[in-house]
Amino acid sequence: IVLTQSPGTLSLSPGERATLSCRASQSVGSTYLAWYQQKPGQAPRLLIYDVSSRATGIPDRFSGSGSGTDFTLTISRLEPGDFAVYYCQQYAGSPYTFGQGTKLEI
Amino acid sequence: EEQLVQSGAEVKKPGESLKISCQGSGYSFTTHWIGWVRQTPGKGLEWMGNIYPGDSDTRYSPSFRGQVTISADKSINTAYLQWSSLKASDSGIYYCARRGSTVGWFGPWGQGTLVTVS
Repeated sequence: IVLTQSPGTLSLSPGERATLSCRASQSVGSTYLAWYQQKPGQAPRLLIYDVSSRATGIPDRFSGSGSGTDFTLTISRLEPGDFAVYYCQQYAGSPYTFGQGTKLEI
Repeated sequence: EEQLVQSGAEVKKPGESLKISCQGSGYSFTTHWIGWVRQTPGKGLEWMGNIYPGDSDTRYSPSFRGQVTISADKSINTAYLQWSSLKASDSGIYYCARRGSTVGWFGPWGQGTLVTVS
């Protein structure tokens, strides 16, 4: 399953709302999608799993939605620490696959 | 605190062998799958395979089956990723990560091991 993320780069300011898209080449159902945040020099960090469940410690500014082939990560009010690269991942079928990432920049 | 700690960076020559490690702590290591993920500038994040440390049941991505070996030693809460003959194309950052209890998301992640083959 190929995941395509858009846009490649998103330029926004602190306080604004970010909407990131992840489209799958075939359905991953209504459950089997996760989102990760990666900052330079760090490992990815789980933000959202099962499409819309926030991982432990993730603020409610982050939300996930979607089903089938179209999924969205929304960050409601950007803070300086949110500027990073975001990846989606599907686990509906093997092999698990990741999107190519969206860079969120100031 | 649940965490995974990986072994340090490696610089190897083509044809050499290598085994990197990932030690878990702060949770029940034997009852959670561990996955390995490669990150490269050209291909991004790629899932390589998973292992269940409790019984060493292992699943590989077709892209990596036969290219690497995933193993675990549950007595020391450690998973391994090894190569018998490295190629330059094996260069990258390798992450281990704990898989979700019943499904395939990953968290937490190890800090990554940079492997350079040159």
